[in-house]
Amino acid sequence: NAGVTQTPKFQVLKTGQSMTLQCAQDMNHEYMSWYRQDPGMGLRLIHYSVGAGITDQGEVPNGYNVSRSTTEDFPLRLLSAAPSQTSVYFCASSSLTGGGTEAFFGQGTRLTVV
Amino acid sequence: QQQVKQSPQSLIVQKGGISIINCAYENTAFDYFPWYQQFPGKGPALLIAIRPDVSEKKEGRFTISFNKSAKQFSLHIMDSQPGDSATYFCAARYGSARQLTFGSGTQLTVLP
Repeated sequence: NAGVTQTPKFQVLKTGQSMTLQCAQDMNHEYMSWYRQDPGMGLRLIHYSVGAGITDQGEVPNGYNVSRSTTEDFPLRLLSAAPSQTSVYFCASSSLTGGGTEAFFGQGTRLTVV
Repeated sequence: QQQVKQSPQSLIVQKGGISIINCAYENTAFDYFPWYQQFPGKGPALLIAIRPDVSEKKEGRFTISFNKSAKQFSLHIMDSQPGDSATYFCAARYGSARQLTFGSGTQLTVLP
């Protein structure tokens, strides 16, 4: 059982470049989300999805785009990378049904924008 | 207001001591309060959680104390061990989509 898988683990981008951070989960969870983690600021919600075809903005959505075409996958796109997007990005998933309340996190993607 | 305020930012405890991390919130719509533990280079993992209708929950050496009237909750780590050295995040859940809002984190160091 792989849980939540994120790729790549590390990435260096130049300002203005675009890229996609991949996230996949094999637990059939309805809810998936992306967070960024910055020193002293905890984890801040970027975008989230409650099911295929449904996405919504979180606290810090600017500069990021998401889509959810399948239950398993929830990619995060950086449209035009900026140094302010240097961060560690985490994808998480959880169940919205039954008693499931735990959010499972991936290992993270460390992104540096130069 | 979706904020969750966490303190202290860092904490150093001797082995065998008690570690205490505090969090406060404003939004009374929060319905679930988890604590996450994160080791360097890893994603956060659920440690323990509590619902607002319970004042205390204990799992092994970890205890959550919850004060609904004061809108505060805290994590107590009894008999702290060097292996407990990690970053701890409190969080609060809201909404039908179960969004989590996190505190700023506490870096705990347990000295041997």
